This record gives sequence, structure tokens and C-alpha cells, in this order.
Amino acid sequence: DIQMTQSPSSLSASVGDRVNITCRASEDIASYLNWYQQKPGKAPGALIYGAFRLSSGVPSRFSGSGSGTDFTLTITSLQPEDFATYFCQQSYSRPRTFGQGTKVDLK
Amino acid sequence: VQLQQWGTGLLKTSETLSLTCGVYGESFTSYYWTWIRQPPGGGLEWIGDINHLGSTSYNPSLKSRVTFSIDTSKNQFSLKLTSITAADTAVYYCARGRQQWILFDNWGQGTLVTASS
Repeated sequence: DIQMTQSPSSLSASVGDRVNITCRASEDIASYLNWYQQKPGKAPGALIYGAFRLSSGVPSRFSGSGSGTDFTLTITSLQPEDFATYFCQQSYSRPRTFGQGTKVDLK
Repeated sequence: VQLQQWGTGLLKTSETLSLTCGVYGESFTSYYWTWIRQPPGGGLEWIGDINHLGSTSYNPSLKSRVTFSIDTSKNQFSLKLTSITAADTAVYYCARGRQQWILFDNWGQGTLVTASS
């Protein structure tokens, strides 16, 4: 199985901050990396697919970058509705695997 | 498209978990119909997927206990997990996986399944 490791596990930030979350794959996954946002009690929602492609309806303050083994999710100006947990997921091979999550909370 | 799931939420250990997901407003073709679970306070685990032809793929960690089925006439797909233990306690989600990038872009509301002795 491909292991996905996110860092940090949690971070505290303020509205307006720029936030970076990284995701590292245990082997080369090309651009087969997706990002999700999850709020408490809700199912995850899709943010980014194919490493940098924005899912439908996602605000442009979200962006993704990277290829191979190292990826980054960036939120350029954190908004109140962005406080949530973020997960990466590789779609290069089965079984599909997720990072452990990064919780973004209010500083 | 909407995914709506149902099934029994409280089970005894060694029983069989059974969940069904209805797909509304979308054709069954061209997607991977997927089950994912999340233990309380934990991360996401891919259980597996099934396509409209009934071709399945299971996570090796659960393969011996999992069975998926699909009913294209009703636009539904189902999960059965046998011999459950406390470790299977989780919120179970159905989801639609898009081809090529396998993005899970639509999810069911989730069902909390608790295995108790």
C-alpha cells in the first residue's frame, strides 16, 4: 500500500493567514493526488484533484501543487468557513489511501 | 446527484453489517461506486469500489469479510461486512469516484455503525 503522510497534524491560524499543508507519498504517484475538506459531523467535500485542479465550486483561494511524492495544499487567505480538517488521498493505485488529516483551527 | 444511504447502526460483535446506498439523479455508468469508513476521531479508510458491471475491488485488509453488490435497476449499491468487531465501529460513507483521477466528489450522509458485545 502507498502510505500518505500529512504535516502538520494540526495548526492554529487567524482569518486572513496563508496556510500550507503538505502531503508526502511513500512512492511516486505522479499527479494522482486529491484533497478534501471535512467539517465536524459532515462527509468530506472535494477540493482539488489531479494535484492542482480545482473541483467544481471551490473558491480560488484554494490551490494545490506538487508531483511525484511531495504535494502542498495552500489556502491564500483563510476565511472563517475554512476552519476544518483537510485530507489528502492518492488515486494512483489500489487500495486508495488517505493522509491522517490536518486540523486547522482558530489561533 | 445525491447519494442517500441506510442500514443498521447498532450491531453485536460477530454479526454482519449491511448498508445500502441509493444514487439519485445520475447514471450508474462511468463511475466507481465506493465505500469509505472513518472511526470516531480517526482518518479515512477506503473499503473498496464496484462499477456498473459489478466488477469489484476490495481493500486487502478487509477483503476476506467484505462483499459489494449492485442493483442497476434501482440505482443502488450495497456493502456487507461479516464477523464485525469493535474495530469496525466507524462512520461508513458511500461515495462516487470519478474516473481518471478517482476523485470522490459526491458522498452519502454517513452512517455510524457501532459494534458492541
